[in-house]
Amino acid sequence: AQSVTQLDSQVPVFEEAPVELRCNYSSSVSVYLFWYVQYPNQGLQLLLKYLSGSTLVKGINGFEAEFNKSQTSFHLRKPSVHISDTAEYFCASTGTASKLTFGTGTRLQVTL
Amino acid sequence: NAGVTQTPKFQVLKTGQSMTLQCAQDMNHEYMSWYRQDPGMGLRLIHYSVGAGITDQGEVPNGYNVSRSTTEDFPLRLLSAAPSQTSVYFCASSYLSAGTEAFFGQGTRLTVV
Repeated sequence: AQSVTQLDSQVPVFEEAPVELRCNYSSSVSVYLFWYVQYPNQGLQLLLKYLSGSTLVKGINGFEAEFNKSQTSFHLRKPSVHISDTAEYFCASTGTASKLTFGTGTRLQVTL
Repeated sequence: NAGVTQTPKFQVLKTGQSMTLQCAQDMNHEYMSWYRQDPGMGLRLIHYSVGAGITDQGEVPNGYNVSRSTTEDFPLRLLSAAPSQTSVYFCASSYLSAGTEAFFGQGTRLTVV
């Protein structure tokens, strides 16, 4: 069975500062990894995904994530955040089927 | 391009009432699923379907029923609402292969009093 752990429930950060949101996964089989973002009162939308190949994945809005197999991690980073990045971020995984397993989410709060 | 459409957006039910949350997608996706989102618990899978006529249980199926008579529609039924079912519900759809992007509806905020 797959599981996804997001270590931080909330991350406060000042505007223009860098941010890292942490995600660890466990799976005994091949895994595909995703980061989704949820803006207030909206559904989820895909930020980026890792399927195979290059371990550094670039997504929308300047976000990127690095797949690290030895540490079973898929941390999300942005070098300089904006107020509009305030949202909840979910790490998720699938195995060989389409069923997504989500982490508990990290609320990113960007302030001036 | 509608994507995934959920109705209603908000609903208040009394304990014991039943209702159906509607979900429709126009992308010809085989895979559809329902999640509930609760504070601190992320999204938990209720039921899913891999095609018309095929459904299966997810992580938290008790108290919910689904059917899939067409590719486009995947309604979620609450048989006898309980306060523990107060939550935000999301429907999602995707192609039936690992690694494809899931598209989510805007959610239904349900309160059971």
